[in-house]
Amino acid sequence: EIVLTQSPGTLSLSPGERATLSCRASQSVGRNFLAWYQKKPGQGPRLLISGASSRATGIPDRFSGSGSGTDFTLTIRSLEPEDFALYYCQQYAYSPITFGQGTRLEIQ
Amino acid sequence: EVQLVESGGGLVQPGRSLRLSCAASGFTFHGHAMHWVRQAPGKGLEWVSSINSNSGGILYADSVKGRFTVSRDNANNSLYLQMNSLRTEDTAFYYCARAECDHCWLIDFLGQGALVTVSS
Repeated sequence: EIVLTQSPGTLSLSPGERATLSCRASQSVGRNFLAWYQKKPGQGPRLLISGASSRATGIPDRFSGSGSGTDFTLTIRSLEPEDFALYYCQQYAYSPITFGQGTRLEIQ
Repeated sequence: EVQLVESGGGLVQPGRSLRLSCAASGFTFHGHAMHWVRQAPGKGLEWVSSINSNSGGILYADSVKGRFTVSRDNANNSLYLQMNSLRTEDTAFYYCARAECDHCWLIDFLGQGALVTVSS
């Protein structure tokens, strides 16, 4: 099973700042089948990025994904108040599908 | 508008059973594989099970294999998760999730979740 390790565990920033979240895989993720999800309390997770860098429908362009192989990054260019949430990376190249442990993005 | 609405959650004693349902609308249900994903209190997301459109391809996480059974009814746009021999560690929000297509595993939409609490 592919283990995904996200860092940092918690990121404290202010609105307008840039957020950089990291996801490292224990082995190469085939075809860069790496996704990012946003999770808010009381809501289901929302897909942000698939294929490491493709924004999902309706996702603002301040969200971008990059990386390949074992190292991936989610960048939020200029934080809006609604962006403060939990973020998870996920690999869907191999069974079992696995998620990272999450990064909490909190308001400083 | 895509909607996935879970139901059937609740409080159950260890060793007992519970069946979750998911009502799908707003898309062609039989054209998509479906998943269950869960999140225990204070923990991260965990994939539980997946089923393809004709129920010919089914997968389970090792943590639930032999205890949980996923099924679907394409005529009624519904997904199910039969959970037997429940354990306290199965306590979680359970999310019904749609795959992007039938033969792919990317989850592109999830419901709001149903809470299952296993406790004596």
